[in-house]
Amino acid sequence: DSGVTQTPKHLITATGQRVTLRCSPRSGDLSVYWYQQSLDQGLQFLIQYYNGEERAKGNILERFSAQQFPDLHSELNLSSLELGDSALYFCASSARSGSSYNEQFFGPGTRLTVL
Amino acid sequence: AQSVTQLDSHVSVSEGTPVLLRCNYSSSYSPSLFWYVQHPNKGLQLLLKYTSAATLVKGINGFEAEFKKSETSFHLTKPSAHMSDAAEYFCVVSDDTGFQKLVFGTGTRLLVSP
Repeated sequence: DSGVTQTPKHLITATGQRVTLRCSPRSGDLSVYWYQQSLDQGLQFLIQYYNGEERAKGNILERFSAQQFPDLHSELNLSSLELGDSALYFCASSARSGSSYNEQFFGPGTRLTVL
Repeated sequence: AQSVTQLDSHVSVSEGTPVLLRCNYSSSYSPSLFWYVQHPNKGLQLLLKYTSAATLVKGINGFEAEFKKSETSFHLTKPSAHMSDAAEYFCVVSDDTGFQKLVFGTGTRLLVSP
């Protein structure tokens, strides 16, 4: 158990809908990262937050947004969902930002299925 | 930009035989490299990491990897495979902007037969 929790574990929804994925980092970790794992794109970095502020963006669609709250939990919002958004979404956390040496601890993921 | 190439999409071994999962990296400077493992329907677990302290890195569950700058390689090895090692393995490089974005390889599925 990494100490990172994600809810829900599974999510099934329809095209055009909006969903929110939730992540709680390990106790004390200030950085939260979101990744998408799909069959065709593999594992891709989406976005990083550090202590409530956005720090880095990857291949995140404009339909997607995220935020990190004062209690350090984070939410990933996916809107106008398309079939291609079906994927496993991982959250990870680490202790510090700005260094390449810190480990990222991954949650169990949320499997999103868009029908 | 950093990238990693995992040379084999699938590797099959027999239980008790050595494991070799190959990874080459591309980086503009000395990178931070990781191996993560993903068991079916599970999250990602860090096996080991290289952060320039020592070229031979020992990880969990008997795995180790050697950083070879001249070959730009970071291959993962284990002397004796166990059935529980069957999983997907990802070679990962950390980006060079300091923001710790991880760049994943395409993964190698390790199959272990009795």
